[in-house]
Amino acid sequence: ETVLTQSPTTTAASPGEKVTITCRASSSVSYMHWYQQKSGASPKLWIYDTSKLASGVPNRFSGSGSGTSYSLIISSIETEDAATYYCQQKSSDPLTFGSGTKLEIK
Amino acid sequence: EVQLVESGGGLVQPGRSLKLSCAASGFTFSNYYMAWVRQAPKKGLEWVATISTSGSRTYYPDSVKGRFTISRDNAKSSLYLQMNSLKSEDTATYYCARLVHRDYFDYWGQGVMVTVSS
Repeated sequence: ETVLTQSPTTTAASPGEKVTITCRASSSVSYMHWYQQKSGASPKLWIYDTSKLASGVPNRFSGSGSGTSYSLIISSIETEDAATYYCQQKSSDPLTFGSGTKLEIK
Repeated sequence: EVQLVESGGGLVQPGRSLKLSCAASGFTFSNYYMAWVRQAPKKGLEWVATISTSGSRTYYPDSVKGRFTISRDNAKSSLYLQMNSLKSEDTATYYCARLVHRDYFDYWGQGVMVTVSS
């Protein structure tokens, strides 16, 4: 099983700051996908195939990475970005998720 | 508009069974792999089951293999999850989700809560 380790577990940032969330895989994966989940809501696809933004996702979000290290980057935080972000891989079975990164806005 | 609406959750005793349903609309259901993903209270996401477009192939993680069965009825645009021999650790919100290229989930339902407790 490919274990995905996200860091940080929790982070707080002020509006306008840049934030980077990292997802490290225990073995190499071809792509990484990211989901945003706000409190009490269902997850939403946020970034797919490592760097493609899902429909409606603001372009202050971006994704990058390869092999065992992937990142979700927010160039300039806005209050609406407060949520938990999960990474996910399907390159190797079983499909796995990271444990999540909670983003708080100061 | 794609919609996935789960139903069938509730409180069930350990060792008993429960069947979840997911009604899909807004897309050609039979063209997509579908899956169930769960989330224990205040925990992360865990993949539970995947089913192929025809229903002929199913996939499970070890944590539910042999206890859970995913199925679908393409004529009714419906997805199901039969859960047997339920354990307290199966307590979670269960989401129905649409798979793209068998790789990632582009639409999720609102979720249904399953509580396993005596």
